[in-house]
Amino acid sequence: GDSVTQMEGPVTLSEEAFLTINCTYTATGYPSLFWYVQYPGEGLQLLLKATKADDKGSNKGFEATYRKETTSFHLEKGSVQVSDSAVYFCALRDTGGFKTIFGAGTRLFVKA
Amino acid sequence: GAGVSQSPSNKVTEKGKDVELRCDPISGHTALYWYRQRLGQGLEFLIYFQGNSAPDKSGLPSDRFSAERTGESVSTLTIQRTQQEDSAVYLCASSPSSGGSHEQFFGPGTRLTVL
Repeated sequence: GDSVTQMEGPVTLSEEAFLTINCTYTATGYPSLFWYVQYPGEGLQLLLKATKADDKGSNKGFEATYRKETTSFHLEKGSVQVSDSAVYFCALRDTGGFKTIFGAGTRLFVKA
Repeated sequence: GAGVSQSPSNKVTEKGKDVELRCDPISGHTALYWYRQRLGQGLEFLIYFQGNSAPDKSGLPSDRFSAERTGESVSTLTIQRTQQEDSAVYLCASSPSSGGSHEQFFGPGTRLTVL
Protein backbone atom coordinates (compact mmCIF):
# COMPACT_ATOMS: atom_id res chain seq x y z
CA GLY A 1 0.00 0.00 0.00
CA ASP A 2 0.88 3.65 -0.17
CA SER A 3 3.30 4.94 2.44
CA VAL A 4 5.31 8.00 3.43
CA THR A 5 8.67 7.93 5.19
CA GLN A 6 10.23 11.03 6.63
CA MET A 7 13.36 11.60 8.63
CA GLU A 8 13.14 11.10 12.34
CA GLY A 9 13.46 14.04 14.63
CA PRO A 10 13.97 16.02 16.53
CA VAL A 11 16.01 18.28 14.33
CA THR A 12 17.72 21.09 16.22
CA LEU A 13 19.15 24.04 14.32
CA SER A 14 20.43 27.50 15.09
CA GLU A 15 18.62 30.50 13.68
CA GLU A 16 19.54 31.26 10.03
CA ALA A 17 20.72 27.68 9.42
CA PHE A 18 19.69 25.74 6.31
CA LEU A 19 16.92 23.20 6.78
CA THR A 20 16.25 19.96 4.95
CA ILE A 21 13.65 17.44 6.08
CA ASN A 22 13.69 14.36 3.89
CA CYS A 23 10.50 12.70 2.69
CA THR A 24 10.14 9.72 0.39
CA TYR A 25 6.97 7.96 -0.66
CA THR A 26 5.63 4.76 -2.15
CA ALA A 27 2.48 5.02 -4.24
CA THR A 28 0.78 3.68 -7.32
CA GLY A 29 -0.31 6.21 -9.87
CA TYR A 30 0.41 9.89 -9.55
CA PRO A 31 -0.23 11.16 -6.05
CA SER A 32 -0.44 14.75 -4.88
CA LEU A 33 2.15 15.56 -2.25
CA PHE A 34 1.81 17.86 0.73
CA TRP A 35 3.70 19.28 3.66
CA TYR A 36 1.60 20.15 6.71
CA VAL A 37 2.90 22.00 9.76
CA GLN A 38 1.72 21.85 13.37
CA TYR A 39 2.87 24.79 15.48
CA PRO A 40 2.86 24.37 19.27
CA GLY A 41 -0.67 24.44 20.58
CA GLU A 42 -2.22 24.77 17.14
CA GLY A 43 -3.89 22.48 14.63
CA LEU A 44 -2.33 21.14 11.46
CA GLN A 45 -2.26 23.48 8.54
CA LEU A 46 -1.15 23.10 4.97
CA LEU A 47 2.31 24.51 4.33
CA LEU A 48 2.71 23.69 0.64
CA LYS A 49 1.73 21.17 -1.99
CA ALA A 50 2.64 19.85 -5.43
CA THR A 51 0.31 17.92 -7.69
CA LYS A 52 2.56 16.58 -10.44
CA ALA A 53 6.13 15.61 -11.17
CA ASP A 54 8.68 18.46 -11.17
CA ASP A 55 6.21 20.87 -9.56
CA LYS A 56 7.70 23.00 -6.80
CA GLY A 57 5.52 24.00 -3.89
CA SER A 58 6.57 27.04 -1.88
CA ASN A 59 5.28 29.08 1.05
CA LYS A 60 6.79 31.20 3.85
CA GLY A 61 10.30 30.62 2.50
CA PHE A 62 9.86 26.84 2.48
CA GLU A 63 9.94 24.86 -0.73
CA ALA A 64 9.73 21.26 -1.89
CA THR A 65 10.04 19.73 -5.37
CA TYR A 66 8.05 16.68 -6.48
CA ARG A 67 10.70 14.24 -7.73
CA LYS A 68 9.08 11.23 -9.35
CA GLU A 69 12.38 9.62 -10.31
CA THR A 70 13.50 9.47 -6.68
CA THR A 71 9.95 9.37 -5.20
CA SER A 72 10.89 12.24 -2.93
CA PHE A 73 9.45 15.53 -1.70
CA HIS A 74 12.13 16.97 0.57
CA LEU A 75 11.31 20.17 2.48
CA GLU A 76 13.91 22.94 2.46
CA LYS A 77 14.34 26.43 3.82
CA GLY A 78 17.41 28.57 3.36
CA SER A 79 17.34 30.37 6.71
CA VAL A 80 15.19 29.13 9.57
CA GLN A 81 13.75 31.30 12.31
CA VAL A 82 12.79 30.49 15.89
CA SER A 83 9.16 30.83 14.81
CA ASP A 84 9.62 27.85 12.45
CA SER A 85 9.82 25.53 15.44
CA ALA A 86 7.02 23.03 14.86
CA VAL A 87 6.25 19.49 13.75
CA TYR A 88 6.31 18.96 10.00
CA PHE A 89 4.31 16.20 8.29
CA CYS A 90 4.81 14.94 4.77
CA ALA A 91 1.70 13.45 3.15
CA LEU A 92 0.41 11.99 -0.09
CA ARG A 93 -2.97 11.57 -1.67
CA ASP A 94 -3.76 9.52 -4.76
CA THR A 95 -5.30 11.38 -7.66
CA GLY A 96 -9.03 10.83 -7.52
CA GLY A 97 -8.68 9.25 -4.12
CA PHE A 98 -9.59 10.53 -0.74
CA LYS A 99 -7.34 8.92 1.81
CA THR A 100 -4.33 11.00 2.77
CA ILE A 101 -1.35 9.08 4.09
CA PHE A 102 0.79 11.01 6.56
CA GLY A 103 4.37 10.47 7.62
CA ALA A 104 5.22 10.20 11.29
CA GLY A 105 6.20 13.86 11.55
CA THR A 106 9.54 15.56 12.18
CA ARG A 107 9.89 17.93 15.11
CA LEU A 108 12.05 20.98 14.43
CA PHE A 109 13.59 23.10 17.18
CA VAL A 110 15.24 26.37 16.17
CA LYS A 111 17.50 28.04 18.75
CA ALA A 112 18.08 31.78 18.87
CA GLY B 1 -14.59 32.67 8.01
CA ALA B 2 -14.96 30.01 10.66
CA GLY B 3 -12.66 27.06 10.50
CA VAL B 4 -13.21 23.49 11.58
CA SER B 5 -14.23 23.32 15.22
CA GLN B 6 -14.13 20.37 17.58
CA SER B 7 -15.54 19.78 21.01
CA PRO B 8 -14.67 19.15 23.69
CA SER B 9 -11.07 20.31 23.49
CA ASN B 10 -10.13 17.97 26.31
CA LYS B 11 -11.86 14.90 27.66
CA VAL B 12 -10.80 12.79 30.62
CA THR B 13 -12.76 9.61 31.14
CA GLU B 14 -12.55 6.38 33.04
CA LYS B 15 -11.81 3.08 31.39
CA GLY B 16 -15.00 1.42 30.21
CA LYS B 17 -17.01 4.61 29.72
CA ASP B 18 -18.36 5.76 26.37
CA VAL B 19 -17.28 9.09 24.87
CA GLU B 20 -18.63 11.20 22.04
CA LEU B 21 -16.50 13.67 20.12
CA ARG B 22 -17.96 16.33 17.88
CA CYS B 23 -16.71 18.00 14.70
CA ASP B 24 -18.20 21.00 12.90
CA PRO B 25 -16.68 21.22 9.41
CA ILE B 26 -16.30 24.33 7.32
CA SER B 27 -19.62 25.21 5.73
CA GLY B 28 -19.91 23.84 2.22
CA HIS B 29 -17.18 21.24 2.63
CA THR B 30 -18.46 17.91 1.40
CA ALA B 31 -15.61 15.73 2.64
CA LEU B 32 -14.94 15.08 6.33
CA TYR B 33 -12.20 12.97 7.90
CA TRP B 34 -11.35 11.69 11.36
CA TYR B 35 -7.78 10.90 12.38
CA ARG B 36 -6.11 9.73 15.55
CA GLN B 37 -2.73 11.06 16.64
CA ARG B 38 -1.05 9.20 19.45
CA LEU B 39 1.66 10.99 21.41
CA GLY B 40 4.76 11.51 19.28
CA GLN B 41 3.28 9.67 16.31
CA GLY B 42 1.83 10.53 12.95
CA LEU B 43 -1.80 10.71 11.93
CA GLU B 44 -3.77 7.51 11.71
CA PHE B 45 -6.76 7.60 9.35
CA LEU B 46 -10.01 6.47 10.95
CA ILE B 47 -13.00 7.27 8.75
CA TYR B 48 -14.04 9.40 5.79
CA PHE B 49 -17.39 10.90 4.74
CA GLN B 50 -18.13 12.31 1.30
CA GLY B 51 -21.51 13.94 0.84
CA ASN B 52 -24.30 11.41 1.09
CA SER B 53 -22.16 8.45 0.01
CA ALA B 54 -21.52 5.53 2.32
CA PRO B 55 -18.58 6.39 4.59
CA ASP B 56 -15.26 4.60 4.32
CA LYS B 57 -14.73 3.01 7.72
CA SER B 58 -11.62 1.06 6.82
CA GLY B 59 -9.44 2.85 9.37
CA LEU B 60 -11.59 2.26 12.44
CA PRO B 61 -9.45 0.14 14.80
CA SER B 62 -12.27 -1.87 16.37
CA ASP B 63 -16.04 -2.16 16.55
CA ARG B 64 -15.94 0.05 19.65
CA PHE B 65 -15.42 2.97 17.29
CA SER B 66 -18.23 4.43 15.19
CA ALA B 67 -18.98 7.74 13.53
CA GLU B 68 -21.95 9.47 12.04
CA ARG B 69 -22.48 12.50 9.88
CA THR B 70 -25.76 14.12 8.97
CA GLY B 71 -25.63 15.32 5.38
CA GLU B 72 -22.73 17.72 4.99
CA SER B 73 -22.77 19.03 8.53
CA VAL B 74 -21.74 17.94 11.99
CA SER B 75 -20.05 14.61 12.62
CA THR B 76 -19.72 12.68 15.85
CA LEU B 77 -17.13 10.03 16.65
CA THR B 78 -18.19 7.63 19.38
CA ILE B 79 -15.87 5.35 21.30
CA GLN B 80 -17.60 2.73 23.42
CA ARG B 81 -16.07 1.02 26.44
CA THR B 82 -12.93 3.16 26.24
CA GLN B 83 -9.54 1.58 26.87
CA GLN B 84 -6.31 3.24 27.91
CA GLU B 85 -4.85 2.71 24.45
CA ASP B 86 -7.59 4.98 23.09
CA SER B 87 -5.83 7.94 24.72
CA ALA B 88 -4.79 10.25 21.88
CA VAL B 89 -5.67 13.46 20.11
CA TYR B 90 -8.58 12.96 17.73
CA LEU B 91 -8.43 15.28 14.75
CA CYS B 92 -11.19 16.17 12.35
CA ALA B 93 -10.57 17.69 8.93
CA SER B 94 -12.81 18.85 6.11
CA SER B 95 -12.19 19.45 2.44
CA PRO B 96 -14.19 21.10 -0.35
CA SER B 97 -14.32 17.71 -2.16
CA SER B 98 -12.52 14.42 -2.30
CA GLY B 99 -10.37 15.45 -5.26
CA GLY B 100 -6.68 14.58 -5.08
CA SER B 101 -5.23 18.06 -4.89
CA HIS B 102 -7.63 19.56 -2.37
CA GLU B 103 -6.05 20.38 0.96
CA GLN B 104 -7.65 19.36 4.19
CA PHE B 105 -8.49 21.91 6.85
CA PHE B 106 -7.93 20.60 10.34
CA GLY B 107 -9.66 21.36 13.59
CA PRO B 108 -7.72 21.88 16.83
CA GLY B 109 -8.41 18.34 17.98
CA THR B 110 -9.88 16.69 21.05
CA ARG B 111 -7.36 15.35 23.53
CA LEU B 112 -8.79 12.18 25.05
CA THR B 113 -7.30 10.73 28.20
CA VAL B 114 -8.56 7.38 29.44
CA LEU B 115 -7.61 6.67 33.03
